Amino acid sequence: DAGVIQSPRHEVTEMGQEVTLRCKPISGHNSLFWYRQTMMRGLELLIYFNNNVPIDDSGMPEDRFSAKMPNASFSTLKIQPSEPRDSAVYFCASSTYGQPQHFGDGTRLSIL
Amino acid sequence: AQTVTQSQPEMSVQEAETVTLSCTYDTSESDYYLFWYKQPPSRQMILVIRQEAYKQQNATENRFSVNFQKAAKSFSLKISDSQLGDAAMYFCAYRTYRNSGNTPLVFGKGTRLSVIA
Repeated sequence: DAGVIQSPRHEVTEMGQEVTLRCKPISGHNSLFWYRQTMMRGLELLIYFNNNVPIDDSGMPEDRFSAKMPNASFSTLKIQPSEPRDSAVYFCASSTYGQPQHFGDGTRLSIL
Repeated sequence: AQTVTQSQPEMSVQEAETVTLSCTYDTSESDYYLFWYKQPPSRQMILVIRQEAYKQQNATENRFSVNFQKAAKSFSLKISDSQLGDAAMYFCAYRTYRNSGNTPLVFGKGTRLSVIA
């Protein structure tokens, strides 16, 4: 039973570069969530989708961040251009209606 | 907006003993869900236990149980017979109920639990 799959697991890149994080939700789940975890702010929602439609992106820090869900089995979170303050662990989670969210293993992003 | 507060940044417990982690939340809603997630050093987020607000009975999962006090907006986690593998960061989380679809989690800041052999 495959869980939520995130890639890459680690990403180190230089400031100004474009970063793309990927997520494959659990098959059959109709909701997908992107969270960010930092020491200062803890775990916070960036954006979430229901049935591939973005519902709330108020947590996206600024225009440098964008997320897409072109189909039910894939989502991306893109940062362009990246900055050192974007360094964090980014989690993707998925769920089906009324059920708890299942998390991927996260992507640790380091912007130098 | 809902908020979740975990007032204990760190806790420790002796192996085989019992420990209780505290969580309070603020909401004006009557229907919602509450969760405890465990995050070990591997950084996985593992669901420990969930509670539906409409249920008066406290949820239990093996050695893990909750004390849900809806009027007090309190949701504590009790770990019995603590094991070394229980050492982790524990997050309390709140989720709004919507009959129109899923909703995101609101997390507390976490409590780091150490288990002493």
